[in-house]
Amino acid sequence: EVQLVESGGGLVQPGGSLRLSCAASGFTFSSFEMSWVRQAPGKGLEWLAYITATSTIIYYADSVKGRFAISRDNAQNSLYLRMNSLRVEDSALYYCARGIATSLPAFDFWGQGTTVAVSS
Amino acid sequence: DIVMTQSPDSLPVSLGEGATINCKSSQSVLYSSNNKNYLAWYQQKPGQPPKLLIYWAFTRESGVPDRFSGSGSGTHFTLTISNLQAEDAAVYYCQQYYSIPYTFGQGTKLEIK
Repeated sequence: EVQLVESGGGLVQPGGSLRLSCAASGFTFSSFEMSWVRQAPGKGLEWLAYITATSTIIYYADSVKGRFAISRDNAQNSLYLRMNSLRVEDSALYYCARGIATSLPAFDFWGQGTTVAVSS
Repeated sequence: DIVMTQSPDSLPVSLGEGATINCKSSQSVLYSSNNKNYLAWYQQKPGQPPKLLIYWAFTRESGVPDRFSGSGSGTHFTLTISNLQAEDAAVYYCQQYYSIPYTFGQGTKLEIK
């Protein structure tokens, strides 16, 4: 069974940092492209970052470029999102999501999400 | 950025009836080299992550009932749900994966009348 389990969320002050993790199981993690997507309370979905299976290509949304960094450790079956210079507007539920196939970034599996709250 | 606009924002429908949700992209998401539309549809129920329903505009994800169908090309797309069931009450999103940043529509809330 495919599983994605996010962790690392929490309450942080503006300007602070957090590192989110996504533990993958039930599939060959090293063969799949991955993304982070967030959802502010009561709001829609916002794609944030994408990484290819071998980390050779990485893309970011403008809203997080220069502040967030996506990475992965295929040996550990894990995806990460390092978040720096956090803002109040970064408060959201953060999902990791699997791309359904190579160069097909529709997301067929999602974790349950981890909550990030940025507040003083 | 490609802006995805869904209509309506909310849609009350009776059990057993059909529902149609529209999605318009600010530029074409049809890739001419393979004639594929880079468009997906998701269903999200309260407290759950989104669930992929359709990709390539009309390809149904494994396990999705055939009551769900996608159509359209270029900049206009439709998700059609026939014979509405109680479990179909959810928010539905379209998403383009034609270009970075991948963008979602604002969502359409399907309610059971």
